[in-house]
Amino acid sequence: GAGVSQSPSNKVTEKGKDVELRCDPISGHTALYWYRQSLGQGLEFLIYFQGNSAPDKSGLPSDRFSAERTGGSVSTLTIQRTQQEDSAVYLCASSSGGTQYFGPGTRLLVL
Amino acid sequence: AQSVSQHNHHVILSEAASLELGCNYSYGGTVNLFWYVQYPGQHLQLLLKYFSGDPLVKGIKGFEAEFIKSKFSFNLRKPSVQWSDTAEYFCAVNEDFGNEKLTFGTGTRLTIIP
Repeated sequence: GAGVSQSPSNKVTEKGKDVELRCDPISGHTALYWYRQSLGQGLEFLIYFQGNSAPDKSGLPSDRFSAERTGGSVSTLTIQRTQQEDSAVYLCASSSGGTQYFGPGTRLLVL
Repeated sequence: AQSVSQHNHHVILSEAASLELGCNYSYGGTVNLFWYVQYPGQHLQLLLKYFSGDPLVKGIKGFEAEFIKSKFSFNLRKPSVQWSDTAEYFCAVNEDFGNEKLTFGTGTRLTIIP
């Protein structure tokens, strides 16, 4: 079956612009996670959605970052007023039975 | 807060050598433990996981890991590596209830010389 998909695969933007990153989880997975992978910080948790519960936003680095999950499926991570330090690979994962399955990521470059 | 340490940043081995990658975590409660692998140009894939039961777990491609609770360790092993094992390996942990967010180690880059 299909795995986690993410789009776009690459995104280049100018400092100060807003970007939206999309994640399509594995069908039937109720939990969805966003992580960030960067050279200086490794893999960091950003936000977690579980069913209809309030999301755990404890990993979001600033209020420029937000995410939503519509209809319990697709999720969008939005970064407003991008900064150069936002350059990283943004990974999405969905889980079933406690195991997280990762997508290929979106590589974001902020110029 | 949890933390995960992977002390080996870059390991270089010849084919057929034995491998052991260290992973230590700090958390006093019950944890689930994972090893993920990222092959060049590919996304993170699960190698193996430990939730409970037998502390020696076997994963894909001949990898295994042993959970030693007293040492807060979950080291990854393979008796004989292949060139195709060249990749980056990440140890991760989450708490055994509620929020399953993963805390990752910084990763170990493994280079296998043919």
